[in-house]
Amino acid sequence: AQSVTQPDIHITVSEGASLELRCNYSYGATPYLFWYVQSPGQGLQLLLKYFSGDTLVQGIKGFEAEFKRSQSSFNLRKPSVHWSDAAEYFCAVGPASGGSYIPTFGRGTSLIVHP
Amino acid sequence: EPEVTQTPSHQVTQMGQEVILRCVPISNHLYFYWYRQILGQKVEFLVSFYNNEISEKSEIFDDQFSVERPDGSNFTLKIRSTKLEDSAMYFCASSGTSGGPPGELFFGEGSRLTVL
Repeated sequence: AQSVTQPDIHITVSEGASLELRCNYSYGATPYLFWYVQSPGQGLQLLLKYFSGDTLVQGIKGFEAEFKRSQSSFNLRKPSVHWSDAAEYFCAVGPASGGSYIPTFGRGTSLIVHP
Repeated sequence: EPEVTQTPSHQVTQMGQEVILRCVPISNHLYFYWYRQILGQKVEFLVSFYNNEISEKSEIFDDQFSVERPDGSNFTLKIRSTKLEDSAMYFCASSGTSGGPPGELFFGEGSRLTVL
């Protein structure tokens, strides 16, 4: 079965500082990988996705993520964080075993941005 | 930009009551999902729906839950007899415009269910 681990429950950074949110996955084949963001009171918005090809993917709001097969990781990065980036970030992996394409989500990492 | 819409945004109900959460997926999408998020916990998959039938469901999705696409545009989640532990944010999502992999999911803003 596939699984996603986001080891950091909370991350605190200062505005303008760089950010890296960690995501590790377990999956038997080449996965589809996603990062979603959830602002307070909002639904989940897709930041970026990896299906194949270039392992460094660019997303919205200045975010990028790098797929590293050898480390089973898909860490999310941003060079300079803005106060509006404070939110919950979810990593997800899909498809499920058996080809049902159901993404499995990690528990999320809460990003706190200090002024 | 097309979006997934959910109603109600918040519902408070008494334990044992039936609840129906409604979703309007993006119109040309073929795959529909319900996820839930209990406060402070991870987003959990409940059920997926394709071609007018359930394609997969999790162990959470027991006999108290059902889904329906009654009219070709709405996608509903019914909880027959709510329990306290059903209190959560329920997210509807849709994806996929062809017979290939569904790809990214587009989520609604969620329906918060509070069971008293």
